[in-house]
Amino acid sequence: AQSVTQPDIHITVSEGASLELRCNYSYGATPYLFWYVQSPGQGLQLLLKYFSGDTLVQGIKGFEAEFKRSQSSFNLRKPSVHWSDAAEYFCAVSNSGGSNYKLTFGKGTLLTVNP
Amino acid sequence: ETGVTQTPRHLVMGMTNKKSLKCEQHLGHNAMYWYKQSAKKPLELMFVYNFKEQTENNSVPSRFSPECPNSSHLFLHLHTLQPEDSALYLCASSQGESSTDTQYFGPGTRLTVL
Repeated sequence: AQSVTQPDIHITVSEGASLELRCNYSYGATPYLFWYVQSPGQGLQLLLKYFSGDTLVQGIKGFEAEFKRSQSSFNLRKPSVHWSDAAEYFCAVSNSGGSNYKLTFGKGTLLTVNP
Repeated sequence: ETGVTQTPRHLVMGMTNKKSLKCEQHLGHNAMYWYKQSAKKPLELMFVYNFKEQTENNSVPSRFSPECPNSSHLFLHLHTLQPEDSALYLCASSQGESSTDTQYFGPGTRLTVL
């Protein structure tokens, strides 16, 4: 069965600092990988996704993520954090088996941004 | 309205009440989902509908009863809930049920069971 681990429950960074949120997955074949963000009182918004091809994926709001098969990781990065990036971030993996798929989420990482 | 909308946004109910959550998507999608988001736990998939047919029931207790009258609307009927059912219930939709179809989420209904 597929699974996702987000090792950091809560991260605090200063505005303007760089950010890296960790995500490790477990899946037997090539996974499909996603990062979602949830602002307070809101649903989940897709930041970026990886299906195949270039292992460095660009997303919205200046975020990027890199798929590293050897490390079973899909870490999310941003070079300079803005106060509006404060939110909870979820990594997710789905099976690449076509139909009837399941999207499995990690427990999330809460990001706090200090002024 | 655009995207995925959910009503009500907040709901407080007693254990003997019957209530319903509503989800509507304005994206022309064919698949719709209910998820439960509890504190300190990953999102849990509850139900999946594709072209109005239920394709997934993730061992959800019968006190939760989904209904999908058409591809744009999804309901979750609630009765005799337990306090541990208090959570954020999220609806999502996608073009199809394929692993390459991105899921779009609504803002959720915050449910409190007293």
